[in-house]
Parts: sequence; C-alpha cells; structure tokens
Amino acid sequence: LAKTTQPISMDSYEGQEVNITCSHNNIATNDYITWYQQFPSQGPRFIIQGYKTKVTNEVASLFIPADRKSSTLSLPRVSLSDTAVYYCLVGDISNQGGKLIFGQGTELSVKP
Amino acid sequence: ETGVTQTPRHLVMGMTNKKSLKCEQHLGHNAMYWYKQSAKKPLELMFVYSYEKLSINESVPSRFSPECPNSSLLNLHLHALQPEDSALYLCASSQEGQAPYEQYFGPGTRLTVT
Repeated sequence: LAKTTQPISMDSYEGQEVNITCSHNNIATNDYITWYQQFPSQGPRFIIQGYKTKVTNEVASLFIPADRKSSTLSLPRVSLSDTAVYYCLVGDISNQGGKLIFGQGTELSVKP
Repeated sequence: ETGVTQTPRHLVMGMTNKKSLKCEQHLGHNAMYWYKQSAKKPLELMFVYSYEKLSINESVPSRFSPECPNSSLLNLHLHALQPEDSALYLCASSQEGQAPYEQYFGPGTRLTVT
C-alpha cells in the first residue's frame, strides 16, 4: 500500500485559501486519492476523491499532477468551522471492500 | 434513521466483561468496516466485510470478534479487553464498484476499559 506524507499541522486565518499537500511516491496504477475531514470524537467525513488532474466539488478542489506522486487539497476561504484533522489516503478501494490506511493527518487550525 | 448509526455511543466495561458494539448502515452498501482510533492517533483498520463475508482481518487480537448478521448490520463482540483497548471505535460502510469510492462513517463508540 502506498504510504502518504503530509504536514502534521497548519495554521490559517478565516477567509484565506488553505492548501494541504500530500506526498505518495509509491502510488499504484489502480490507486485513488481520497481526502477526509475529522472533528474530535466524530467519524471522518469524505471531502473529495480523484485519480488524476483536477477535481472540484462544492467544498474543495483536489489537484493531482501527471505523475500522481503528490496531491494538493485546496480549501477556499476557510472558516473557524474548518478547524479539523485532514487525512490524505491512497488506495484501491474499487473492489473487494478495499483497504484504506489513515496516516497521521494534518491538523488545521483556523484563527479569527 | 439515515447514514451509519452506532450503539452504544459510550461504553465502560471491566476487563472481565463481555459486551458488543453494534453498527447499522441505512445506505444499501455492500461493504462494512471496523476501525479503532486511540487518543491523538490515526484510525487503524481492524476488519472489513465484503458482501457479508470477512475479507480483511488486520491481525486483530481474538478478544475482538466481528460478526455480520446481514448486509446492514455489523457487530463487534468484546471479551477480556485490556485498558489499552480504550479508544473510539468507528464503523463505516461503502459501496463497491461505484465511484466515488467513499466510506461513510458512523459517530463511533467511545469505549473505556477499567
């Protein structure tokens, strides 16, 4: 399974754009890149998923370069409620009840 | 009920007790998961059920015993636990073969072993 590396923590201010980069040098051909958000004492919540290039939804964008060895989660105009831990996961979960490995995550702190 | 529900939300048990954690998904998914999250640590995958059959067991000690009575229900039977088993236990479900390959998590059961 591909290992991921992301910053342990990041600080930001309300209204700023936040970019969290994740390295996954050993990503395999069938692997997808998925980001989850987790608040304390709650289950993680899916944010966005991609395979290559750029994906955008109502809450975030995911940028994946051609070599797919890294990815960047972009959160536009963060608010205090975006303070959470963000996990980057890489794995083939398209079949066989796939296996995801959660790393340490990035603890994002948004300040007023 | 919608999404993934877990009961109980909090559980305190002694090391000699037997208890069960319950998870129900109302999403029609075909895969279900148990994760453990200790304080300030990332989630650790424990078990994966695919089409009601155990497909992944991450070398979990036998004092944790999973059960999948049907496609919507997932239980985790606990027996002779240790204090280090105190953690947040999370259940999740997903639909294989359908993008995005998203796991939906329940709120978790906060377990304390005394």
